[in-house]
This record gives sequence, structure tokens and C-alpha cells, in this order.
Amino acid sequence: DAGVIQSPRHEVTEMGQEVTLRCKPISGHDYLFWYRQTMMRGLELLIYFNNNVPIDDSGMPEDRFSAKMPNASFSTLKIQPSEPRDSAVYFCASSLRGTGSYEQYFGPGTRLTVT
Amino acid sequence: AQSVTQLGSHVSVSEGALVLLRCNYSSSVPPYLFWYVQYPNQGLQLLLKYTSAATLVKGINGFEAEFKKSETSFHLTKPSAHMSDAAEYFCAVTEGSSYKLIFGSGTRLLVRP
Repeated sequence: DAGVIQSPRHEVTEMGQEVTLRCKPISGHDYLFWYRQTMMRGLELLIYFNNNVPIDDSGMPEDRFSAKMPNASFSTLKIQPSEPRDSAVYFCASSLRGTGSYEQYFGPGTRLTVT
Repeated sequence: AQSVTQLGSHVSVSEGALVLLRCNYSSSVPPYLFWYVQYPNQGLQLLLKYTSAATLVKGINGFEAEFKKSETSFHLTKPSAHMSDAAEYFCAVTEGSSYKLIFGSGTRLLVRP
């Protein structure tokens, strides 16, 4: 399997612009997670989906952030408008409930820089 | 709510020395526990996991961890450090019956030649 795929790997944008991050989970996985990693705050869970339905979005920092999962093989995290404090590495991870072991498989991340 | 504490944001060892990275969790109900490793500019990779079977868990790259319920600990060890082990290590625990993982703040392992 190709693993979790994220695009782009790097994104540089100006404050106020819309940013869309993309994720393709491992085929057959039914859970998808979006995380943000910064030096100051470490690894934070933003939102997670089960069978394409958002289950917990309590980690989404504010209304500028939104996430969708239109089908089992694709999810997006959108920031509109972006701000410099959104600069971070954003990870997507997926998991398969049927294994019962809860382990998550991470993508390589998208490094976002907002200037 | 569940929480994870990793003692020491940085640990430095000499090549060939014992590696010990500490992790304590808060729940009185034994959860599932994980150690992940993150190499520079990469995502997190599963090192090993505890899922209520054997309390001593062996993982990849010679790492192992022991679940100690009485101490609510899940420390990661490796008998002999290698330069390639230099990375950041994260302990994680499940939260209740949800599929969320609660991550510790990470420990950066430095290996001196």
C-alpha cells in the first residue's frame, strides 16, 4: 500500500489567502484524523472522521478552519483566511477500526508557511 | 480526561549506551499505549504498541517497552543506542473507547558518537 498521501508537501502563502490541504487515507481505513504540529503546542488533534462523518471537531481552532471528507478516499482541510500563526506542519492519519488496535498511520505532512 | 507525560524534552546518550525514554499516563483503566518515532521532516511512524496482551512489548529497530499498571508507566528502552536512533519519540494513549489518541509532548533523543 502507498500509505497515507498528503499534498502539497510544502505550501507558502500570504496572510489572508485561502489554503487547502489534501489527504488520501490508506485504502479501506474508516477513520481519518487531522493534526497540527508546532514547536510551541506540540501535536494537536484538530478533527477526526469515521466513515466520512466528522465525529469530533473540538480541536479546530476557529471558524477559519474547516474540514471535509466527501468520500472514503479523500479529505481536505481548508483555512480561510490564513494567518501567520497558522504556520505549522499539518498531518493526516488514518486507522482501521476492524483491527481493534487503534493504531494510526501518518502521512508525511504538509509544511505550511503563512507570511 | 486522559493525559500523557513524557519526562525530559531532550535525552542525550552515547552511541552504544542504554536508551530510556519515560512515559506515564493518567487513566486508572489500562488503555492502549503506543510509541511513535518521528525523523526530521517526516511523519510519525509506529514503533510499538501495547494492547493488553503481553506487558513487555517488542517493536522495530530493537526497541521495547514495558507496561506497568501499578506505576501507570510505559517506558521505552533500547539496550544499545545507534546514531540512526536520533529522532523525536512520542508516547500516545487511547482516550476511553474513542479512536482518539492523546500524544505526549515528545522527547528528542540525541545520540553522541
